Amino acid sequence: EAAVTQSPRSKVAVTGGKVTLSCHQTNNHDYMYWYRQDTGHGLRLIHYSYVADSTEKGDIPDGYKASRPSQENFSLILELASLSQTAVYFCASSDVRDSGNTLYFGEGSRLIVV
Amino acid sequence: GQQVQQSPASLVLQEGENAELQCNFSSTATQLQWFYQSPGGSLVSLLSNPSGTKHTGRLTSTTVTKERRSSLHISSSQTTDSGTYLCAMNQGGSAKLIFGEGTKLTVSS
Repeated sequence: EAAVTQSPRSKVAVTGGKVTLSCHQTNNHDYMYWYRQDTGHGLRLIHYSYVADSTEKGDIPDGYKASRPSQENFSLILELASLSQTAVYFCASSDVRDSGNTLYFGEGSRLIVV
Repeated sequence: GQQVQQSPASLVLQEGENAELQCNFSSTATQLQWFYQSPGGSLVSLLSNPSGTKHTGRLTSTTVTKERRSSLHISSSQTTDSGTYLCAMNQGGSAKLIFGEGTKLTVSS
């Protein structure tokens, strides 16, 4: 059973609309992350969280908000979606007690903004 | 800022051949991970190797920290190894991983 699940798996949004991507993990991990991947490129960190009710900015936070209402759930919010936010978004979790900081990824959410 | 460069960008092998993937990073890494991304897009961690040599199955990773490089060796490649291999690193106690752009491996039968 998948330990990190994302929803929706795919979405088409209109420019200027609001988009919420949700992530749920059953790993009992403290850390959660949102990355985006553009075609043919590596992953870039948008937001992450160490603990519920707290989020941190990653390397490309502009245009995105994050919410961590509980240890299990981490959402990425695009208040005003733009064409440049078309990408695949990955959620991940990791265990603060793991010195290797192994990341466990969800299956990804493909977002197309038109 | 921190950068991670991977080479080659793509690699085509016949089944049974060995693959050697390289990762170079711009600053000293305290964590270094290799990931596999399937053709369908799913991501899985292969191994974490901030220094030294680590083996798992047909995979061997060697990281030379002071030279800021890591390699991933895949022995006796199989068609199911096809996909993209991503290297990621971070510094200090940061949880922020910086990813390279990956090496796309194609193994044909």
